[in-house]
Amino acid sequence: DVKVTQSSRYLVKRTGEKVFLECVQDMDHENMFWYRQDPGLGLRLIYFSYDVKMKEKGDIPEGYSVSREKKERFSLILESASTNQTSMYLCASSPPGGGAYGYTFGSGTRLTVV
Amino acid sequence: AQSVTQLDSQVPVFEEAPVELRCNYSSSVSVYLFWYVQYPNQGLQLLLKYLSGSTLVESINGFEAEFNKSQTSFHLRKPSVHISDTAEYFCAVSDPGSARQLTFGSGTQLTVLP
Repeated sequence: DVKVTQSSRYLVKRTGEKVFLECVQDMDHENMFWYRQDPGLGLRLIYFSYDVKMKEKGDIPEGYSVSREKKERFSLILESASTNQTSMYLCASSPPGGGAYGYTFGSGTRLTVV
Repeated sequence: AQSVTQLDSQVPVFEEAPVELRCNYSSSVSVYLFWYVQYPNQGLQLLLKYLSGSTLVESINGFEAEFNKSQTSFHLRKPSVHISDTAEYFCAVSDPGSARQLTFGSGTQLTVLP
C-alpha cells in the first residue's frame, strides 16, 4: 500500500524554537506539498516541490521554509515557532500529471506552539 | 487560476436521510474533479474523482457525484447517510498549467445525527 508518512502525529513546541516537520513518501512521486489546515479556512498551501532541491512558494510561505534533499523526503521548517503557527499540517505527494491522479496525503501533524 | 467554492461550511443531517454537499468551480475549460474525505484527526482520503466519460461517478461507500459542465458544479450526494459518514469533505479541481496541480475548496463539515 502506498504511503505518505509524517513523522509525528502530535507535537508541542515552545515559542521561538526551530521546528522540523518531516514527510516521507514511498511512491517515487516527483511532487510533494505542505499544507496547513485551520478551522474555517480549509487547506492553505505553504510550499511545494516538483523535484529534488526545487521548491515553490504557495499561498502562505511566511515564517516557513522547506528542504528537499532526497526525492522521497520533504521537510517543513519553522525557523522560529510562534503561537499563530499552531495548526494541523498535512503533507501530500503526487506523480507528474498529478492533476489526473490527485494527491496522496499523510495523516497530519498537529502542532501546538506554547 | 482555478477557484473552488463549497457553499456550505456545515451540514447537519439525521441518520438515514439524504444529503447533498455542493461544489462549484470557476473555469469552464476541461478539468479533473475530486472529492476528498477527512475523518477526525486524520489526513485526507480520496473519495471519488471525475476525469472523463460518464458524468456520474460513484464511491465504494455509496456516495456519488455528478459533473455538470454547464453549471461548473460537482455536487456530492448520498441517498442515506450513516453516523460513520460524519467527516469533513473537500472538493478539489485540477489546475491545468499550474505546478500546484490541485486547488481545494474550504471544506464542508458533515455531521450525521442519531
